[in-house]
Amino acid sequence: AQSVTQLGSHVSVSEGALVLLRCNYSSSVPPYLFWYVQYPNQGLQLLLKYTTGATLVKGINGFEAEFKKSETSFHLTKPSAHMSDAAEYFCAVSDPRNSGYSTLTFGKGTMLLVSP
Amino acid sequence: EPEVTQTPSHQVTQMGQEVILRCVPISNHLYFYWYRQILGQKVEFLVSFYNNEISEKSEIFDDQFSVERPDGSNFTLKIRSTKLEDSAMYFCASREPRSNYGYTFGSGTRLTVV
Repeated sequence: AQSVTQLGSHVSVSEGALVLLRCNYSSSVPPYLFWYVQYPNQGLQLLLKYTTGATLVKGINGFEAEFKKSETSFHLTKPSAHMSDAAEYFCAVSDPRNSGYSTLTFGKGTMLLVSP
Repeated sequence: EPEVTQTPSHQVTQMGQEVILRCVPISNHLYFYWYRQILGQKVEFLVSFYNNEISEKSEIFDDQFSVERPDGSNFTLKIRSTKLEDSAMYFCASREPRSNYGYTFGSGTRLTVV
């Protein structure tokens, strides 16, 4: 079974500061990894994903994440936070062997708060 | 950009009543899903649907739940007799056939059981 742990239910940063949202996973095989963002009253929007290849992946809105197999981590970063980044962020995994149905296993989410 | 549409955005229902949550997936997608998020908890998988049948379901998806695609465009989740603990945000998602990660989620239906 797969699981995802997101450290910190809330992370607060100042505008312009580095954003670091942590995600660790447990999986019997290297999983596919995802970060989703949820703005208020909106659905889950894919920020970025890792499936194979380069372990540093870039997503929308200046976010990136690095897959570190040895640390079973997929932390999300952004060099400089904007007020518009305030949202809830979810890390998720899926089993690449299960290509048919590909259910996602989510973490609990981290609310990013950005102050002026 | 194509969207997954969910209606209603909010629903309040009395305990024991039946509710139907509706979703219109993206037209060329073939895999459909329901997930839910109880306030303060993880987004949890409920059920996946492909080729007009359930392909996978979680232990949450008990006999009180059912899904169907009645008319080739809508995808519905029915809860027969709602309980207080069914209060959650319910997300519908669809996925294109050639990608095992190309999910598109709807904006969710917030269900409150009183």
